Order: sequence, then structure tokens, then C-alpha cells
Amino acid sequence: NAGVTQTPKFQVLKTGQSMTLQCAQDMNHNSMYWYRQDPGMGLRLIYYSASEGTTDKGEVPNGYNVSRLNKREFSLRLESAAPSQTSVYFCASSEVFSNQPQHFGDGTRLSIL
Amino acid sequence: GESVGLHLPTLSVQEGDNSIINCAYSNSASDYFIWYKQESGKGPQFIIDIRSNMDKRQGQRVTVLLNKTVKHLSLQIAATQPGDSAVYFCAENIRTGGFKTIFGAGTRLFVKA
Repeated sequence: NAGVTQTPKFQVLKTGQSMTLQCAQDMNHNSMYWYRQDPGMGLRLIYYSASEGTTDKGEVPNGYNVSRLNKREFSLRLESAAPSQTSVYFCASSEVFSNQPQHFGDGTRLSIL
Repeated sequence: GESVGLHLPTLSVQEGDNSIINCAYSNSASDYFIWYKQESGKGPQFIIDIRSNMDKRQGQRVTVLLNKTVKHLSLQIAATQPGDSAVYFCAENIRTGGFKTIFGAGTRLFVKA
């Protein structure tokens, strides 16, 4: 009963390095999302995939790219990490892209030095 | 745990008492609302939802009230337990041509034994 699985759980990068955050869901959900969570702020949407084969920008997409690899997997890539991207990143999924609760992974804690 | 949730409003209640957590939402076009619970080091967890054609919805030990006139949402937790200690935040879904979810920053609930 895994739900949404994110890897890695923790990562420290140097400015300019690249990395990919992985996310997989086993609930056969159509829609997947990437958020960042910063202290004292609500979750902010980076990118989403309403259905397999589509991706769209959210509120804060700059510096990120995504790939919906298949129905289960949705990855987030930082091409050239910056200190402003230090955050906790959450992946989520929902059955459909509209008025449905989202199911979240436990996050990736990313620090960029 | 990490520093997510710094400077949030805090509610402290005695074990066994009822808790009421409030949320003011922003958009009169919002038609779906969700409450999430987030424990330290974990991802948000769905608690209960309500659609805009309803005023009240009950779950197990939780009740959500929606007042569309003043754009206010509340979460009531009956017989609060130590395991209820967490950050609680609301989310609103807005239909504005497309579809958008806005998350609140949250309220930290402390339950005193």
C-alpha cells in the first residue's frame, strides 16, 4: 500500500549541479503534480501533468523541467541548481484533474549550497 | 523534523477537548475545499473535503463547515488526541477558465496531554 513514493528523501547539491527527483504512484491515478514547500508558506505548484502525455507549468516553473514517463511516474529535474531552490519538494497524484483530493509523497528535502 | 511550518498560527488544546481550526479562502469562484494534515517530516494527508453546494460535512471525529457568505472554512476535531498534533491547512479549488488549487500556509495544532 505504497501510494506515492519519492526518491531521494534528502539531497545536498552545490550551486550549478543538476539532479532529477523521482516520483511514482501505484493508485492508477491520471494526474500528477510537483510542489515546493517553503517555511511559513503554502504549497506552490511547479508543474503538473493532468493526464499521461501532457505536462503544464504551474505557479513557479522557472528553473525546473518535468517528464511524465508513463502513467505511474513523474520526474522533476533541476538543470542548474540555485540556492533559491532549497526547499522541500512534494509529488502528488489525484484520480482526475479536477475537484479531487490529492495524495502526497513524503517529500524530498533539498539543500543547495 | 525540518523547518516547514515556521511562524504559523498556533492552537494549543487539552487532550479530550474539541479543536476548531479556521481558514479564510480568497476566491468566490472556489467550488471545492479540502483539509489536509501534515505531521513533521511527512507529506500532507487528506482529511476531509466539501463542495460549494454544501454547508457542512462530517467524517470520523472531524467536521468541516463552509460559510460562503464570508468565505470562511473551519475544521472541527472532536475529542482531540495527542496523535492529532500536526499542521493543518486548507486548500481551495478555483475554476477560472482553467483549474487552480490554492493552499493555505496552515495552523499548527499542539495537543497537551
